[in-house]
Amino acid sequence: EAGVTQFPSHSVIEKGQTVTLRCDPISGHDNLYWYRRVMGKEIKFLLHFVKESKQDESGMPNNRFLAERTGGTYSTLKVQPAELEDSGVYFCASSQDDDGLSYEQYFGPGTRLTVT
Amino acid sequence: KQEVTQIPAALSVPEGENLVLNCSFTDSAIYNLQWFRQDPGKGLTSLLLIQSSQREQTSGRLNASLDKSSGRSTLYIAASQPGDSATYLCAVKGGTASKLTFGTGTRLQVTL
Repeated sequence: EAGVTQFPSHSVIEKGQTVTLRCDPISGHDNLYWYRRVMGKEIKFLLHFVKESKQDESGMPNNRFLAERTGGTYSTLKVQPAELEDSGVYFCASSQDDDGLSYEQYFGPGTRLTVT
Repeated sequence: KQEVTQIPAALSVPEGENLVLNCSFTDSAIYNLQWFRQDPGKGLTSLLLIQSSQREQTSGRLNASLDKSSGRSTLYIAASQPGDSATYLCAVKGGTASKLTFGTGTRLQVTL
């Protein structure tokens, strides 16, 4: 079974440009999460999808970030326009439907974003 | 607001030693706690998941315990090996939200 995949693995863009990150969760996982780690700090939550719906977007830093999950499969995270402080590693994770139980989250390898 | 702290920040031990990594959290109303390892430049690998109703979980040489009332978890690694060198992260899932709150991690180096 394939794990969570992310594309690209590394992106270098200039301030003001747009970047789109993609995440493919484990097949059959309804829950999809985005996290990021910036400047050597702890990994922080951005948002949570259940299928195609945004369940919790309390961690999104501002309106320059837009996440979508059309069709409830893969997800994209767009940063427009990118700022220097957006540099960091963006992780995607997925988990099975909770349904009253608690499942572990499986993480992808991350996308390292560098804004110059 | 949940805060997760991991001590120590870094640890170096000789091969073969048993060691304990600590994780504490401020809000005891958690749903579960997950331990991960991260190798340099790589993603997170889930090691153990402990539900709030459980006291411990074991996988091979790893044993994780949870004391929810005191807001603490420990990860015990037996007979450490150089391949165990990595950053170990603790993350808790709150009672009302699915998101994980992470600690800053413990960077472990096991020397020959």
